[in-house]
Amino acid sequence: KNEVEQSPQNLTAQEGEFITINCSYSVGISALHWLQQHPGGGIVSLFMLSSGKKKHGRLIATINIQEKHSSLHITASHPRDSAVYICAVGEGFGNEKLTFGTGTRLTIIP
Amino acid sequence: DAGITQSPRHKVTETGTPVTLRCHQTENHRYMYWYRQDPGHGLRLIHYSYGVKDTDKGEVSDGYSVSRSKTEDFLLTLESATSSQTSVYFCATADYNEQFFGPGTRLTVL
Repeated sequence: KNEVEQSPQNLTAQEGEFITINCSYSVGISALHWLQQHPGGGIVSLFMLSSGKKKHGRLIATINIQEKHSSLHITASHPRDSAVYICAVGEGFGNEKLTFGTGTRLTIIP
Repeated sequence: DAGITQSPRHKVTETGTPVTLRCHQTENHRYMYWYRQDPGHGLRLIHYSYGVKDTDKGEVSDGYSVSRSKTEDFLLTLESATSSQTSVYFCATADYNEQFFGPGTRLTVL
């Protein structure tokens, strides 16, 4: 069973700061997902990656397969980025089964 | 966004009663999933489906059953609800690139 750990569990930062959230896992995977859960509870997929780096707007996700580690970065953070960020790893074909981390609660103070 | 709806969105029930939660999608995605989310735990997979009438157990399947008679509908049944099944339940669907989550159902078992 894959163990997924995220750090930190909670993060509070000032608006404009560069944010890094980390995710490590124990067993080789087919893909890693970053998800965002809004304060209202809705969950949105941000990235799926199996190697290298992806960028979408102010969000950047990287993965190091050899080290079994991924990071999610947010540049020029804004209060609307406040949410829980969840890392999940998939081991099967396609997106069959995901194992989730417990999430990082991010609060951006204006 | 994938069209995923869950019903009901909120339910309060008593121990020992049967409960069925419905997930409906309009995207014709092959894969569908039921997760539960509890404080201190990441999302945990209950059951998943990889096609009509094709389902399999996830990590926390005890006390739950599922059915998928049509591509668009995935039902989760608690045959005899217990207080430990109080949780927020999320349905998700997947194409080959990402998972799409429904809005969640908050279930309270008294």
